[in-house]
Amino acid sequence: GAVVSQHPSRVICKSGTSVKIECRSLDFQATTMFWYRQFPKKSLMLMATSNEGSKATYEQGVEKDKFLINHASLTLSTLTVTSAHPEDSSFYICSARDPITQGAFFGQGTRLTVV
Amino acid sequence: ELKVEQNPLFLSMQEGKNYTIYCNYSTTSDRLYWYRQDPGKSLESLFVLLSNGAVKQEGRLMASLDTKARLSTLHITAAVHDLSATYFCAVDGGKIIFGKGTRLHILP
Repeated sequence: GAVVSQHPSRVICKSGTSVKIECRSLDFQATTMFWYRQFPKKSLMLMATSNEGSKATYEQGVEKDKFLINHASLTLSTLTVTSAHPEDSSFYICSARDPITQGAFFGQGTRLTVV
Repeated sequence: ELKVEQNPLFLSMQEGKNYTIYCNYSTTSDRLYWYRQDPGKSLESLFVLLSNGAVKQEGRLMASLDTKARLSTLHITAAVHDLSATYFCAVDGGKIIFGKGTRLHILP
């Protein structure tokens, strides 16, 4: 299947700092990417839909100023957690839809710990 | 608003048995995905179902989609311990919404 690469896989940061997570589609061009957050033993909660060249669409309750999403190219979307707090600690996963197969493929996930 | 209901949420079964996981959704869509997640890992794509009546099989897993009933099933045949994991269905209605997942535990 198609490959989506997410980096870093694990990050620990101090409260108040910002963290950037990258999501790349390696063998296809993705006009749409999705960012999810997953709490332990829970399902994936959609945070925002990222469209190449335009502003991201955020889900209700997700702070757009805190979770900055940029989709500057057809193969790269980034999520920046600004002024991180311990409650932002979570597993963040990106997904990209392959326009050819219509499958949605996921990155490896980023485990963020804010101390 | 698209809602996805998956059941059961927990399933413990013996090796060799058959079982089915159900995924119902609330609005029209003809794209549905099934994923597997192992503890601490990301999601592994199992099936992409793109049309009414679609049926796909891989090993002991078979998935089907009935868009008229807004229902997909994931059937497990003669379960083995290696299939223990959490299984998610996700419906694509423009944005991709997940069910709550089915935590499957297969007893050796």
